[in-house]
Order: sequence, then structure tokens, then C-alpha cells
Amino acid sequence: KNQVEQSPQSLIILEGKNCTLQCNYTVSPFSNLRWYKQDTGRGPVSLTIMTFSENTKSNGRYTATLDADTKQSSLHITASQLSDSASYICVVSATTGGSYIPTFGRGTSLIVHP
Amino acid sequence: EAQVTQNPRYLITVTGKKLTVTCSQNMNHEYMSWYRQDPGLGLRQIYYSMNVEVTDKGDVPEGYKVSRKEKRNFPLILESPSPNQTSLYFCASSLRWHFTSTDTQYFGPGTRLTVL
Repeated sequence: KNQVEQSPQSLIILEGKNCTLQCNYTVSPFSNLRWYKQDTGRGPVSLTIMTFSENTKSNGRYTATLDADTKQSSLHITASQLSDSASYICVVSATTGGSYIPTFGRGTSLIVHP
Repeated sequence: EAQVTQNPRYLITVTGKKLTVTCSQNMNHEYMSWYRQDPGLGLRQIYYSMNVEVTDKGDVPEGYKVSRKEKRNFPLILESPSPNQTSLYFCASSLRWHFTSTDTQYFGPGTRLTVL
């Protein structure tokens, strides 16, 4: 069964500090891995998208890495801001019959304190 | 402004009373999908549509119906809602969803449904 595990479940950091969120998956056959940011009560917003051949992708202060051999990804947030407080969701998609089947992680809840 | 809209945003209903949640996108996207989000479970796909008149089941389709008569609209229908369908629902769309696609998926603002 395809699974996506995220860690930690929650994280509290001080403003200005860096942090790294983890995503391990067992999805097969792998198509792409996406990271989303979801503010409380709102829809997820795409941060990065990576295919099998990509091992890093940046979006401003967000940098995602992918190790397809170990089936691990990380999302690194640099110089955190209060507005980074949100849930971060890892989504891994498998290919089947030309379409995607996404498997969502349960998310990491990040709280940034001043 | 490019966006996905959902209506209503909040809905309280009673068991068995048919309801429809509308979803519309203005980006001419081929792919649309519905998800539900429950505490501790994350997002789960209900149904998706690759294009007009093409729909398929996701992970949790039981108790739901969809239709895709036009490219921009993808309504979610609950014929006989039950309390276990109380959840936060999201509609999403992307330009394409074939195996080489890395298109961005855009989510709507969500519909919070309570079934009593």
C-alpha cells in the first residue's frame, strides 16, 4: 500500500531560525513529489514539485530535496518568519494508466514564535 | 484573477437531505478533483476528472457523486448525507495530469460541511 509519512508531527521554532521537515514514502511507481503549505482553514498552496530526476528545488526561502533511492524528501525553511506558521504537506504521486494517484502525508504543523 | 471557487463555504444539514457543493475554475484546466480533510487523517481524494465527461474514483468515493459536463465546473453531490461525511472539503484543479505533468495544482478555499 502506498504510504507517506511525515515527521515531526509538530514543530515550534523561534522567528529567524531554520528548520527541516521530513517526508518518507513507499509510493510506487513514483511520478512526482510535491510540498504544500496550508494555512489554518484555507486550501493548500503549492511550494515545490519534483520529479524522479530532480534532487533539489527552491522557492524563495523554501528548499526541497529528494532522494529517490532512499525514498526520502525534506523541506528546509530558511530564516523563518511568523507567516511560515502553517501545516506543511508532502504529496507523492504514482503513475497508473497515464494518470496520477496522489498519496498525502498527514502534514507537519509548524509554529513560529516571535 | 486565476482561482478555484467553492460554494457554499459553510453548510450545516441533516442526515439524508441531498446537497451539492459547487466548484468552478477559470483557468481552463483539464484536471479537477475533490478531497476531504479530516483531523489526523490528512487529505484524501474522493473523485477526480481528467476532462469533460471523464471521471474516476479516488480513495474514498463511497457516498459521493460527481459530474463534469463543462470544463470549468465539477460539482460534488451527496445524495443522502450521513454524519460520517462531516468534513472539510476541497476542490482542486490543474492544467493537465498525465504522467509527464508537473503542473501546479490549485486548491479552492474549502467547504466545511456538518451533517447532523
